[in-house]
Amino acid sequence: NAGVTQTPKFRILKIGQSMTLQCAQDMNHNYMYWYRQDPGMGLKLIYYSVGAGITDKGEVPNGYNVSRSTTEDFPLRLELAAPSQTSVYFCASSIDRVDGYTFGSGTRLTVV
Amino acid sequence: RKEVEQDPGPFNVPEGATVAFNCTYSNSASQSFFWYRQDCRKEPKLLMSVYSSGNEDGRFTAQLNRASQYISLLIRDSKLSDSATYLCVVGEGGFKTIFGAGTRLFVKA
Repeated sequence: NAGVTQTPKFRILKIGQSMTLQCAQDMNHNYMYWYRQDPGMGLKLIYYSVGAGITDKGEVPNGYNVSRSTTEDFPLRLELAAPSQTSVYFCASSIDRVDGYTFGSGTRLTVV
Repeated sequence: RKEVEQDPGPFNVPEGATVAFNCTYSNSASQSFFWYRQDCRKEPKLLMSVYSSGNEDGRFTAQLNRASQYISLLIRDSKLSDSATYLCVVGEGGFKTIFGAGTRLFVKA
């Protein structure tokens, strides 16, 4: 059972470049989330989705975009990367919004 | 006041010890409560949900005190493998879920 799969695991971007972080889950969860984790800080919600075709902003959405064309996939797009986007990004999914989350293994992104 | 506050530690304990972590939250209307465990450079993993009546899973016991707005995690008979960061997570309703910054635990032989 793969759970939540994220790619890539590591990436170095130059300022101004763009990239897409991939996330896929095979648990048929409707709810999916993107978080970022900075050192010494709690995870911050970037975007979330309650089902295919429905997305909404979280706490820190600026500089990011998402889409949810299928139940399984929830990619996160970074346009015009900035050093402030250096972080660890986690994708997660849940059966319901009050349930615990299953996280992917994360993407470590460095913007230089 | 932070929305979810945890003692960052680190807690250094010998194997076999009992250790307790507390976490306070600011929103009295919070609805769901969890403890996650995060190993170094890994993703958070759900350890247990926390219910008003308290709940136990093996060596782990979680308690919720709504009146004082804190949740606790007790680990009995600590193992080396319990060394990790423990995240307190509070759901405030809707999609507002607040993650604490975590408490680091080191269990030593």
